[in-house]
Amino acid sequence: AQSVAQPEDQVNVAEGNPLTVKCTYSVSGNPYLFWYVQYPNRGLQFLLKYITGDNLVKGSYGFEAEFNKSQTSFHLKKPSALVSDSALYFCAVRDILTGGGNKLTFGTGTQLKVEL
Amino acid sequence: NAGVTQTPKFRVLKTGQSMTLLCAQDMNHEYMYWYRQDPGMGLRLIHYSVGEGTTAKGEVPDGYNVSRLKKQNFLLGLESAAPSQTSVYFCASQKEGGQGVEAFFGQGTRLTVV
Repeated sequence: AQSVAQPEDQVNVAEGNPLTVKCTYSVSGNPYLFWYVQYPNRGLQFLLKYITGDNLVKGSYGFEAEFNKSQTSFHLKKPSALVSDSALYFCAVRDILTGGGNKLTFGTGTQLKVEL
Repeated sequence: NAGVTQTPKFRVLKTGQSMTLLCAQDMNHEYMYWYRQDPGMGLRLIHYSVGEGTTAKGEVPDGYNVSRLKKQNFLLGLESAAPSQTSVYFCASQKEGGQGVEAFFGQGTRLTVV
């Protein structure tokens, strides 16, 4: 089965500084990787995905992620953090279901806190 | 364009009571999913459906049942609620098209079983 790991429960960064939220993956075959963000009392919102092609993927709200096959990582990045980026971030990998279709397998989430 | 809508948003149940959570999507997606979110555990798949009239078990199906009588609706039922089912429940939908397609999530239902 496919899996992802988010080694940090929380990341703190000052506004204006670059941010990185880490994710590593374990898959058999080609990885289909996603980042989602969850604001308080809200559902998950899609940020970006890696399917194939360029290792640097650009997404919503100025976020980007770098796919690194040798390190089996898919870290989320932003050059300049905003206080409004404070939220819970989930890395996920697509996994095939035995009954057909596919599902997202999520990491445990990383709480990002951006301070003034 | 509402996307994925969950009803209700909050609910408190007593142990042993039953309830149904409704998920409705207006994007004509084939696949629908029910996840539960618990602190420190990410989201775990309860049940899913790959089309109208079909359902299947996910990772944590015990204590839940589902139905997909119409393509746009996916119902999650708790026949006899237990405190262990206190959680936030998310519905998601996805169009058919392979593993590279993203899923869209509802806003969640916060359920407390006392």
